[in-house]
Amino acid sequence: DAGVIQSPRHEVTEMGQEVTLRCKPISGHDYLFWYRQTMMRGLELLIYFNNNVPIDDSGMPEDRFSAKMPNASFSTLKIQPSEPRDSAVYFCASSLVHSYGYTFGSGTRLTVV
Amino acid sequence: AQKVTQAQTEISVVEKEDVTLDCVYETRDTTYYLFWYKQPPSGELVFLIRRNSFDEQNEISGRYSWNFQKSTSSFNFTITASQVVDSAVYFCALSAYGGSQGNLIFGKGTKLSVKP
Repeated sequence: DAGVIQSPRHEVTEMGQEVTLRCKPISGHDYLFWYRQTMMRGLELLIYFNNNVPIDDSGMPEDRFSAKMPNASFSTLKIQPSEPRDSAVYFCASSLVHSYGYTFGSGTRLTVV
Repeated sequence: AQKVTQAQTEISVVEKEDVTLDCVYETRDTTYYLFWYKQPPSGELVFLIRRNSFDEQNEISGRYSWNFQKSTSSFNFTITASQVVDSAVYFCALSAYGGSQGNLIFGKGTKLSVKP
């Protein structure tokens, strides 16, 4: 299995632009998570899906953030408009709840200038 | 509320020393899972171990060992004979079985530096 695949690996964008981060979970995994990592706040959950349905989006910081999972093999996290404080590493992870561990993608390092 | 505390922000050791990373957790759920992840300088998050709340047996994997004590809500991680390649940030995490089923809650991490 190729693991959880995220794209792009790095994204540099100007303030005000729309940013879309992509994630392909491991086939067969029922749960998909989006996390954000910053120096100040550490690893924080933004949103997670179960069987493509959003279960908890309480971690989404503002209405500028949105996430979708149109099918079991694809999810997007969109920021519109982006701001410098959105600069962080965004991780996607997938799991079978009762499986041995949550698998994380390599992350997308977002820089908003 | 659920919480994971890693009180040690940074630890520095010399190669071949043993080092223990502390993790204390809080949860009201009776069924939960505890994890350790490693984040090397390259940035990815590497799964190390998962332990469920009903299994308090200590576990050893090579130079790594984990001590789970429910009585003190701790899940500590020991590296024996540390090596430079062990230098990384280590995260302890908690996943509860209750209302927030499926969500991993991370501690702030402990940065381990192993010097030659």
